Amino acid sequence: GENVEQHPSTLSVQEGDSAVIKCTYSDSASNYFPWYKQELGKRPQLIIDIRSNVGEKKDQRIAVTLNKTAKHFSLHITETQPEDSAVYFCAASKGGSYIPTFGRGTSLIVHP
Amino acid sequence: DVKVTQSSRYLVKRTGEKVFLECVQDMDHENMFWYRQDPGLGLRLIYFSYDVKMKEKGDIPEGYSVSREKKERFSLILESASTNQTSMYLCASSLDRHSGANVLTFGAGSRLTVL
Repeated sequence: GENVEQHPSTLSVQEGDSAVIKCTYSDSASNYFPWYKQELGKRPQLIIDIRSNVGEKKDQRIAVTLNKTAKHFSLHITETQPEDSAVYFCAASKGGSYIPTFGRGTSLIVHP
Repeated sequence: DVKVTQSSRYLVKRTGEKVFLECVQDMDHENMFWYRQDPGLGLRLIYFSYDVKMKEKGDIPEGYSVSREKKERFSLILESASTNQTSMYLCASSLDRHSGANVLTFGAGSRLTVL
């Protein structure tokens, strides 16, 4: 089955810095890669996703990049703000499967 | 506009008790999931269902069972609660098995403490 590794487990940055979270996956058939954000005490919510036919996708201060050859994808947050503090989960799934495999999560702390 | 509702936010039970966690979605989604969330371990899939009365084991089904009698409702059952089942339980739903990109909508979670 699919295995998703996520690093780092904890990331601490100063407000205004950039943050990068990296994930690798094992199944080359995976073709959909969502990212979920979970603020303290709240439910995980989708913030951005990317399909395997696209190398990069951007939405304001967040972007996701995908390297299919290396089987890794990353979340980039620029100009971090305290409200970006949360746990971020990456996931991977493949066509015909509706069950995502999640990484273990990254706790991002943005210091004012 | 809450779309996935978990009936209990906090529960405290005793070892050996039977525990029911209820989840209801109002989006007419086919798929429903139960995850367990523990610090450092991420989201681990307990059971999922792609249709009424259908259920499939996830990665950690031991000690749990599920019921889906209606499309909108998916229940997680702990037949005899144990202390190692103290955790946050998240319910989620997604549209169907055939969509190329299935976005999960999560409930707010049920924090279970077993004494």
